[in-house]
Parts: sequence; C-alpha cells; structure tokens
Amino acid sequence: EAQVTQNPRYLITVTGKKLTVTCSQNMNHEYMSWYRQDPGLGLRQIYYSMNVEVTDKGDVPEGYKVSRKEKRNFPLILESPSPNQTSLYFCASSSTGTGEYEQYFGPGTRLTVT
Amino acid sequence: GDSVTQMEGPVTLSEEAFLTINCTYTATGYPSLFWYVQYPGEGLQLLLKATKADDKGSNKGFEATYRKETTSFHLEKGSVQVSDSAVYFCALSDRTTGGFKTIFGAGTRLFVKA
Repeated sequence: EAQVTQNPRYLITVTGKKLTVTCSQNMNHEYMSWYRQDPGLGLRQIYYSMNVEVTDKGDVPEGYKVSRKEKRNFPLILESPSPNQTSLYFCASSSTGTGEYEQYFGPGTRLTVT
Repeated sequence: GDSVTQMEGPVTLSEEAFLTINCTYTATGYPSLFWYVQYPGEGLQLLLKATKADDKGSNKGFEATYRKETTSFHLEKGSVQVSDSAVYFCALSDRTTGGFKTIFGAGTRLFVKA
C-alpha cells in the first residue's frame, strides 16, 4: 500500500530536550516536505526537499532541522524544542515527474512541549 | 507573494443540502489548484485538483472549476452527507527556482447534521 508514515504519532516533551520525528514514504517520490498545522493558520511549510541531499527552507524554518540522506526518509529534528513549537506536524511527499504537485500526507504527529 | 483565502467556518448544513466553500487565490505564475480534505484524526488527502484555467476537478460528488478571470476555485457539492463532515483546505502549488511551493488556505470546517 502506498503510504507516508510518521513516528511517533503523539509526543509530549519538555523544553530543550532534543527530539526527532521520522517520516518515510514508499512511493519513490522525489519531493518531501514538513508542515505544521495550527488553528486558524492552515498548514505552513517548515522545510522541503526536492531530492536526496537537496533541502530548502519553507515559511517557518526557525527552530527546526532536516536531512535527506535517503530518498524514502525525511526526519524532522528539533534541537531545543520550545512551547511555541507545540503543534500538529505533517509530512508529505510528491512525485515531481507529472508537474502537477499533488501531495500525499502522513497521519500527523501531535507534539506538546511543556 | 502567493496566497490563498477561503471562507471561514464552521459551516453547518443539514444532510442533502447544497454546499459551497469559496476559495480565491493570488499567484504570480500559473499554479495548480487543489482541494484537500482532513477527516477527524487523520492527515490530509487529495479531494480534487485542476492544473490549468477552465479545468474542472471532480471526485465523490464534489466539483471545483479553475477560474483564472476571477482567481477562484470554489468547492461545490449538490447534496452533502453526514460522512462529508471534515475540514476542507484549498491550496495552490506553483513552480519555484528550487522546485515547487504549496500554499494552503486556513481551512473550513464542515458539519453535516442528519
């Protein structure tokens, strides 16, 4: 089954404790992206990657890091989480071959930073 | 820069009522337009898309037409069901120097009563 998986689905942590949210896709997509969803703001892009070793900032990259060492994986790293990073996070992937840019989303990771 | 504006919710309808959710956009290029749907506790999934002016996207009884002259992509359904209760996001994707970028609207929550 074609899918995007994220782990963990729920995470409660404390300020300053480094964490990683994993994302993996099995569709051989070139493009992967991380979004955060906050009430009334829709989805805002954090980082995206057009292919292995190619990453770029989205609209809200501060406080986040990413890496793309393999095509299927795109982890999101919070080196020193803060309460304003409490949010619902989505990973997404897309094939760039068609030029239509439709994205496939993971189930989401709800992060709470206290 | 590019932007997407969609009507605020929540929208509450009775079963079999007609649905319209308005969406307008601003873009410098020639974007693809999308409606994504998010059911409770799930990630976003593509509902329909249109990649050029005058295209009509349709799926599961939902329709939207890409109107370049009015920069709109309004979502419609002739007869809603309780199972359509969800949050609906209008989005555009456009090419950038580094690849492509997606902008989401804030989302419109739909409640359908039996």
